[in-house]
Amino acid sequence: EIVLTQSPTTMAASPGEKVTLTCRASSSVSYMHWYQQRSGASPKLWIYETSKLASGVPNRFSGSGSGTSYSLTINSMETEDAATYYCQQGSSYPPTFGGGTKLELK
Amino acid sequence: EVQLQQSGPELRRPGSSVKLSCKASGYSITDYLMHWVKHRPEHGLEWIGWIDPEDGETKYAQKFQSKATLTADTSSNTAYMQLSSLTSEDTATYFCARGASYYYDGWGQGVMVTVSS
Repeated sequence: EIVLTQSPTTMAASPGEKVTLTCRASSSVSYMHWYQQRSGASPKLWIYETSKLASGVPNRFSGSGSGTSYSLTINSMETEDAATYYCQQGSSYPPTFGGGTKLELK
Repeated sequence: EVQLQQSGPELRRPGSSVKLSCKASGYSITDYLMHWVKHRPEHGLEWIGWIDPEDGETKYAQKFQSKATLTADTSSNTAYMQLSSLTSEDTATYFCARGASYYYDGWGQGVMVTVSS
């Protein structure tokens, strides 16, 4: 199965700061999807097919990448962005998730 | 609006089984695959399998082949997952999630299953 490695595991960002989260796949995948999970809540689809924002996601978020390297970027960190972000691939069976990046507010 | 309402928390003894439910509203479950995902904080998210409620076809991750059984009742627009021969390793939060292509565009609120003697 394809292993997804997210980095960093944990990070803190100040309001207004640019943030980049990375997801590396053990083999090439066609797309990467991202989920946001706030404490005590279920995951929410955040970015799908590498770069498409899910409904309601602010446009300060963006996604990019190809092959084995993907990223999620927040142009300017806001308080409400503090959460754990998971990447997920569905190109290869079984679908797998990364271990998550916990993004905290500094 | 897609909503997936899961059943309440469960406490079970080792060796027993549990059946979790996931009631969909805002759409017909026959129009999408329903996936189930396991979450343990130290292990992250693990995909368990999916069911196509239209015809009952299922597919499981290898490690859950003999652990989970997915079913669906189209008359009540509800999907189910039964977990058998429970051990402490099954203590986790379980989510149902609507499958859209190769990602999940709607999630239940999750149900905590605790296995303890």
